[in-house]
Amino acid sequence: AQKVTQAQTEISVVEKEDVTLDCVYETRDTTYYLFWYKQPPSGELVFLIRRNSFDEQNEISGRYSWNFQKSTSSFNFTITASQVVDSAVYFCALRSSGTYKYIFGTGTRLKVLA
Amino acid sequence: KAGVTQTPRYLIKTRGQQVTLSCSPISGHRSVSWYQQTPGQGLQFLFEYFSETQRNKGNFPGRFSGRQFSNSRSEMNVSTLELGDSALYLCASSLDGFDNQPQHFGDGTRLSIL
Repeated sequence: AQKVTQAQTEISVVEKEDVTLDCVYETRDTTYYLFWYKQPPSGELVFLIRRNSFDEQNEISGRYSWNFQKSTSSFNFTITASQVVDSAVYFCALRSSGTYKYIFGTGTRLKVLA
Repeated sequence: KAGVTQTPRYLIKTRGQQVTLSCSPISGHRSVSWYQQTPGQGLQFLFEYFSETQRNKGNFPGRFSGRQFSNSRSEMNVSTLELGDSALYLCASSLDGFDNQPQHFGDGTRLSIL
């Protein structure tokens, strides 16, 4: 079975704090892809990053960084020095090769307070 | 480049009616997926189409159906509406439907059942 778990339903931080959003996935497939999406209050989901199962290299993009660990089946997302504009719902998603479907977690609502 | 366009943005229906939602993917994109988003459930996969063929379907009753046209535009239909069908319905497109391609989402159609 394939599953994505985002245990943190809602997180509130004060601006400039660092915050990590957790994502744990389950799949028996050896080839799969992991994604993070952001859904701001306006509603449209925006793609942030993709990782394939063969690439465990962490990635940093500005204030955003992602930590992929196959040993713990986790793909965590860290925002450094959070800003109010980071307030949104963040979704982690899994797609196994050849399934033609994405499995999304239930999302983590991040509130950054000024 | 225009994004994914979903129409209508809002719909109000009563139980027992049927509804058709429309999605125009990004120009050149041939894969279209549909999701149902409800509070607490996250995004639930409905179906995926590529070149007019449904390649996968989620765990939804047969009242939910869809199709894709030769120009890649897609429609989904829900018959015999129930109160539980109230949700945000999201459409997403990707270029060729390959596993590693991120999806681009529309703003969604918010369906309310009275």
